[in-house]
Amino acid sequence: RKEVEQDPGPFNVPEGATVAFNCTYSNSASQSFFWYRQDCRKEPKLLMSVYSSGNEDGRFTAQLNRASQYISLLIRDSKLSDSATYLCVVNPGGGYQKVTFGTGTKLQVIP
Amino acid sequence: DAGVIQSPRHEVTEMGQEVTLRCKPISGHDYLFWYRQTMMRGLELLIYFNNNVPIDDSGMPEDRFSAKMPNASFSTLKIQPSEPRDSAVYFCASSLAGLAEYEQYFGPGTRLTVT
Repeated sequence: RKEVEQDPGPFNVPEGATVAFNCTYSNSASQSFFWYRQDCRKEPKLLMSVYSSGNEDGRFTAQLNRASQYISLLIRDSKLSDSATYLCVVNPGGGYQKVTFGTGTKLQVIP
Repeated sequence: DAGVIQSPRHEVTEMGQEVTLRCKPISGHDYLFWYRQTMMRGLELLIYFNNNVPIDDSGMPEDRFSAKMPNASFSTLKIQPSEPRDSAVYFCASSLAGLAEYEQYFGPGTRLTVT
C-alpha cells in the first residue's frame, strides 16, 4: 500500500459546483497533514494545513478522519482559477521535516 | 523576498554528460529539500539537509546522483553520468524549522531532458 494515495482524476466540474477530494494515508502515527496546489508547469504551493478539528479558508474546507486514515478537501462555488492539481501531503511527525506527497488529483473547472 | 531560486530553469543534455542543478534557499530557512517529479511517480523526495548537513538521502536513486550544501545559501544536485530516465522536473524547497505547519517553499524547478 502506498504511503499516500489519491484519485488522480481528472475531476471535471462546472463553475459554481462543489467538489470534494479524498486522500488516504497508511501510517497511523502521522501527525501533520496538508493540501498543496500545483498549477500546470509550476511549483507546488501550500493551500492549507489540515487540523484535527478541521480547517476552513473561504471556499475551501479541509477535514481529517484519523479513524479511517484519510483527509479531505472540499471546494465550494468552484472558480475557473481553481483548476489545478491538488496534492495531499503527510508528515510522520516525531520532529521529522520529511513529508510524503501524494501523486495529486487534477481538477478542471469548466465554464 | 526572492523566494527559492533554482538554475538553470531548463537543461537539455546528452546521455552520459554531467548535469549540475543549483538552488538558493530562502534566507534563514534551516531545511533544504531536493525533489524529482515525473508523471509516473509524482513528487519524490531525493534528499534533505538540516543546517547544511544531509539528514536523509534514502531517496537518491543511485550513485550517479550526489548532492551538496557547502553553506546555508547554496546547494547543488549533480547527476553523473546522466541517463534518459533521469528526465524530470527537479524541485528544490526550503522550510523553517519550528513552524507547526512545516510549510515548504518550492523553487520554480529545473526541467531536465536527457537525450
